[in-house]
Amino acid sequence: DIQMTQSPSSLSASVGDRVTITCQASQDISFSLNWYQQKPGKAPKLLIYDASNLAAGVPSRFSGGGSGTVFTFTIRSLQPEDTATYYCQHYDGLPLTFGGGTKVEIE
Amino acid sequence: EVQLVESGGGLVRPGRSLRLSCAGSGFTFGDYAMSWFRQAPGRGPEWVGFVRSEAYGGTTEYAASAKGRFTISRDDSKSVAYLQMNSLKTEDTAVYYCTRCHYYTWKNSAGVDVWGRGATVTVSS
Repeated sequence: DIQMTQSPSSLSASVGDRVTITCQASQDISFSLNWYQQKPGKAPKLLIYDASNLAAGVPSRFSGGGSGTVFTFTIRSLQPEDTATYYCQHYDGLPLTFGGGTKVEIE
Repeated sequence: EVQLVESGGGLVRPGRSLRLSCAGSGFTFGDYAMSWFRQAPGRGPEWVGFVRSEAYGGTTEYAASAKGRFTISRDDSKSVAYLQMNSLKTEDTAVYYCTRCHYYTWKNSAGVDVWGRGATVTVSS
């Protein structure tokens, strides 16, 4: 199984800050990576697919990059509504697996 | 608007069975693979399995934790996917999510784009 290692597990930043999360795959997954946002009591919401493509309706302050084994997710200017847990998830074969999540809070 | 609505969750005793349903609307249901995920309290999401579209045989794949106990099926005439769960264990307690997927034949995998709101399953005596 492909292991997805996400860091940091949590972070606290100020409104307007740039925030970056890293996800490392245990083997080459090309561009087969999604990023999700999940708020308490809600379903995950797709933000980024194919490592760097913004899903429909997602604000442009969110972006993704990387390929192969190392990926990044960035919030360009953190907003109060971005408080949530963020997950990466690969889809290069089966089983589909997730990173451990990053809890983002506002200072 | 694309929408997925799960139903059938509830409290069930260990060893019993439960069937979840997922009704899709706002898209051509039969064109997509459908996958189930679950999320135990305080944990991250976990893939359970998926069913390919009929164009790819309507066949299924499962996570190791689901194989042999869970069965995924679909009825495209009703735009519904199902998750049949047998011999339930306390560790199956979770919110179960239905998702719409794009199936990629060259890597035998599925990219998720839409999630339902989830159905809560509690396995307890």
